[in-house]
Amino acid sequence: DTGVSQNPRHKITKRGQNVTFRCDPISEHNRLYWYRQTLGQGPEFLTYFQNEAQLEKSRLLSDRFSAERPKGSFSTLEIQRTEQGDSAMYLCASSRDRQGPNEKLFFGSGTQLSVL
Amino acid sequence: AQKITQTQPGMFVQEKEAVTLDCTYDTSDPSYGLFWYKQPSSGEMIFLIYQGSYDQQNATEGRYSLNFQKARKSANLVISASQLGDSAMYFCAMREPNTDKLIFGTGTRLQVFP
Repeated sequence: DTGVSQNPRHKITKRGQNVTFRCDPISEHNRLYWYRQTLGQGPEFLTYFQNEAQLEKSRLLSDRFSAERPKGSFSTLEIQRTEQGDSAMYLCASSRDRQGPNEKLFFGSGTQLSVL
Repeated sequence: AQKITQTQPGMFVQEKEAVTLDCTYDTSDPSYGLFWYKQPSSGEMIFLIYQGSYDQQNATEGRYSLNFQKARKSANLVISASQLGDSAMYFCAMREPNTDKLIFGTGTRLQVFP
């Protein structure tokens, strides 16, 4: 169990540029979640996948955001035309298919995005 | 809509003492799950403890225990014998029953001093 891996750890970009983050979940986990966390707040749900199917998207996920999980393994989150308000920590989490109500999410260390 | 409230932005505790971090929740679903996560400065969210809405006993995991009061809709985390390494942000979260996503509170920053 190598844990959830996220790359890069930090990303600094200029407003208007596109950025892409990658998440590698724990290998046997079918579910993958993206969250966004701003300073002083708890993580906010963005979207989640079961295998390659994107099952839910938050209203926080504007049309500038797109997430994919093409082969049901790793996932990418792309933000187009970044804005300063996009500056946040982007967290990825994974879990098995629901084995019970106590099935917990395993989180990566996140990608810290700073938009200048 | 489900909601999690953590009213303590920050807490201080002396090493070896116990501390309680508050969490209240709001849901109309009879079936739900409550989680506590720890987030050190490294950023990773670390699972601590889980309580199911139908569990008869309060959950315990080592030095962590959950004071679950269903009628009051509270799920407070108790950390016994605090250690310096317990200094971190602590988040209470609730699982939405139909979608399985977790809804988080705003967190409590715990600082343990010698």
